[in-house]
Amino acid sequence: DAGVIQSPRHEVTEMGQEVTLRCKPISGHDYLFWYRQTMMRGLELLIYFNNNVPIDDSGMPEDRFSAKMPNASFSTLKIQPSEPRDSAVYFCASSLINQPQHFGDGTRLSIL
Amino acid sequence: TQLLEQSPQFLSIQEGENLTVYCNSSSVFSSLQWYRQEPGEGPVLLVTVVTGGEVKKLKRLTFQFGDARKDSSLHITAAQPGDTGLYLCAGVGAQKLVFGQGTRLTINP
Repeated sequence: DAGVIQSPRHEVTEMGQEVTLRCKPISGHDYLFWYRQTMMRGLELLIYFNNNVPIDDSGMPEDRFSAKMPNASFSTLKIQPSEPRDSAVYFCASSLINQPQHFGDGTRLSIL
Repeated sequence: TQLLEQSPQFLSIQEGENLTVYCNSSSVFSSLQWYRQEPGEGPVLLVTVVTGGEVKKLKRLTFQFGDARKDSSLHITAAQPGDTGLYLCAGVGAQKLVFGQGTRLTINP
């Protein structure tokens, strides 16, 4: 079975540009999570969805960040405009209710 | 805000030695999970502890959940180079995970 698939694996762009990160959850999972990992702050939850509906976006740092889940097999995390402090590894995870989360291999984002 | 503190943050020891990593919180969690993360990959779940005082073993790894369900420990016996990685604890509450900062473990041959 395919795990959680994230793309791209690496992204390097200049500040001010729009960045879109993509995630395909495990088929059948009804929860999807977006995390950000940095050395300073560790792994932080940004937002999570249940059945494609955003449930908790309290971790989204500011209005420059937005996330969507148009269907059960796809989600995006968008940063517009991007800033150097957004540089981090962004992870997507999915799960069934009350079951362990399965993580993708992340997108390493560098904003110059 | 629920916080989990892990210690130590970094640990480098020789192959064959024993070690313990700690995860402490002022909050009570319904359960606590331990993950291991390797470079370029996402965290992978090792174990979930649910009951206060629970002890779980995974080969040379022993996980313990504190009686008050606020803290946990991971003990590795006879560490091997393959144990090298980032170990993360995470408190579970209402579908959300709260992660500790992690312990970066290096086992030297």
